Amino acid sequence: GAVVSQHPSRVICKSGTSVKIECRSLDFQATTMFWYRQFPKKSLMLMATSNEGSKATYEQGVEKDKFLINHASLTLSTLTVTSAHPEDSSFYICSARGSAWNYGYTFGSGTRLTVV
Amino acid sequence: GNSVTQMEGPVTLSEEAFLTINCTYTATGYPSLFWYVQYPGEGLQLLLKATKADDKGSNKGFEATYRKETTSFHLEKGSVQVSDSAVYFCALTLKNNDMRFGAGTRLTVKP
Repeated sequence: GAVVSQHPSRVICKSGTSVKIECRSLDFQATTMFWYRQFPKKSLMLMATSNEGSKATYEQGVEKDKFLINHASLTLSTLTVTSAHPEDSSFYICSARGSAWNYGYTFGSGTRLTVV
Repeated sequence: GNSVTQMEGPVTLSEEAFLTINCTYTATGYPSLFWYVQYPGEGLQLLLKATKADDKGSNKGFEATYRKETTSFHLEKGSVQVSDSAVYFCALTLKNNDMRFGAGTRLTVKP
């Protein structure tokens, strides 16, 4: 079945530095990828929709200059948290949708970001 | 807009008890419906899905039926196990749209 690989699974960084998270579809072409943020014991909050070859669409309230998304190929999307601060600490999850929209999305295993 | 309302948790059951987690939806059009499960520290895994009215999704003893008349997709399992302890998310998606999630229901099964 469809597999999405997300790396790293955990990262600790210092305040002010940038962190890049990768999301790869391993056995299918993902025309659209999504980035979510999940707070402890909460649901997933959609941050942005990433379409291959075009600019990402950000949800209201998400700073596009802080959360840079690049979807350079049909199998890779990256989320870069720039100038990270402790309040950016969270669980970030990507998902990918192939051509069959009604078959659900495949999720990565998530990245636990801790900013110290 | 499109949204999912999910039964508030947490839910605590004894092993072999019957499980129901309620989910209702609001959507313009005809959505596909999903249940995802999240184990601690992990991403989401698709548990089951239904793509049209009256479809029944099933997997690992879990079932859910797409009820258009009640706009519901309740998750059920006849006999839960300790290993079923996780957070369960109901979700919907429409063509060319993102996926919308319920708030999640944390299930704890005690031996």
